[in-house]
Amino acid sequence: KAGVTQTPRYLIKTRGQQVTLSCSPISGHRSVSWYQQTPGQGLQFLFEYFSETQRNKGNFPGRFSGRQFSNSRSEMNVSTLELGDSALYLCASSLETRHSTGYNEQFFGPGTRLTVL
Amino acid sequence: AQTVTQSQPEMSVQEAETVTLSCTYDTSESDYYLFWYKQPPSRQMILVIRQEAYKQQNATENRFSVNFQKAAKSFSLKISDSQLGDAAMYFCAYMGETSGSRLTFGEGTQLTVNP
Repeated sequence: KAGVTQTPRYLIKTRGQQVTLSCSPISGHRSVSWYQQTPGQGLQFLFEYFSETQRNKGNFPGRFSGRQFSNSRSEMNVSTLELGDSALYLCASSLETRHSTGYNEQFFGPGTRLTVL
Repeated sequence: AQTVTQSQPEMSVQEAETVTLSCTYDTSESDYYLFWYKQPPSRQMILVIRQEAYKQQNATENRFSVNFQKAAKSFSLKISDSQLGDAAMYFCAYMGETSGSRLTFGEGTQLTVNP
């Protein structure tokens, strides 16, 4: 079974531009979460989507947005890029959003390295 | 809000020796999971081991085991018979009953394995 794929793997943008990153979950997985990883702030949760609905959101400005399609693929968009948005963006997929009775292991993709100049 | 703290930015161990990575967390939830993830230079995040808070028995996965002290909110990872391939950044992470699939990560510990 193929793992989580993220495209593109590397991206260079300039300040003020916008960018769209894509994440394809493991087949059958319905939940997709996004994380930002930087040397200064570490790993921070951006948002989670399940069945095309945002189920959870981290503490990021409105410039960061996402969506999920009917095939569970997800995209995240960052508008008006700032230098501080340079980071590794990781997505993770799981079978379904965790309920009170269970846990669904999250499988991470290889990440997209975004550099903002 | 839940927090996860790893107080050891870097650790090193000799090949075949044992090393313990520390993690503490803070939460008011009663139902949660704790994890150790490994991130090698490839940046691919890999689950090493997980612990359910309601289980008193410490989780074990081959050479990896945890020491889960619920009252002290401590969750350390022991790596036995360390191998060169264990060299990586290790993250402690928390998932709570009210947080869906959201993981809260610690700062990470960079582990070096010396031959």
